[in-house]
Amino acid sequence: GAGVSQSPSNKVTEKGKDVELRCDPISGHTALYWYRQSLGQGLEFLIYFQGNSAPDKSGLPSDRFSAERTGGSVSTLTIQRTQQEDSAVYLCATTGTGGTGELFFGEGSRLTVL
Amino acid sequence: AQSVTQPDIHITVSEGASLELRCNYSYGATPYLFWYVQSPGQGLQLLLKYFSGDTLVQGIKGFEAEFKRSQSSFNLRKPSVHWSDAAEYFCAVGGTLSGSARQLTFGSGTQLTVLP
Repeated sequence: GAGVSQSPSNKVTEKGKDVELRCDPISGHTALYWYRQSLGQGLEFLIYFQGNSAPDKSGLPSDRFSAERTGGSVSTLTIQRTQQEDSAVYLCATTGTGGTGELFFGEGSRLTVL
Repeated sequence: AQSVTQPDIHITVSEGASLELRCNYSYGATPYLFWYVQSPGQGLQLLLKYFSGDTLVQGIKGFEAEFKRSQSSFNLRKPSVHWSDAAEYFCAVGGTLSGSARQLTFGSGTQLTVLP
């Protein structure tokens, strides 16, 4: 597509429920990142996918968080047994192969855990 | 470890006034520096970036930033602010150009309000 697309744009869930957030990257972009943006905070790196390489999961805050990227395209971030502190905006970003370092961001998925 | 500080959480300026948003970084080598803007309900958009060369870089929407190594700063400026510039601005520092952007560290952002 023309840009990075994320869904849902808003998600309200109850504590303890599982949620899935989806990211459709820009066509041809091989690198995909998930960030978390909490109120008043900067962007916190979560996970990074590059082509067929093993993902860099070093930013995932706990084992309740996981992500996959199927076919090198669409990515899903899953949060199991959600907690109130998981409430944040989850941003997906992709980069092309030009090596410019520019990240192209989606509009984010706002998660609210009640 | 690299870090970014944006000392101003919120700035208010009048339309037509000049603007300067501060960014200080900590990095052990020559950094790659970025400014992103996030408009309400939208994702982050790159305004400009510094990799090397001329320390004054021009970006989109009339923004510019100056890299000052001696001050470890990369302040964002605009000579005349427009109402549409109201948004949140993020400074980021990274150490790898073509590698993993996970090495990008973002500041906590500066919220800009523009008064008519």
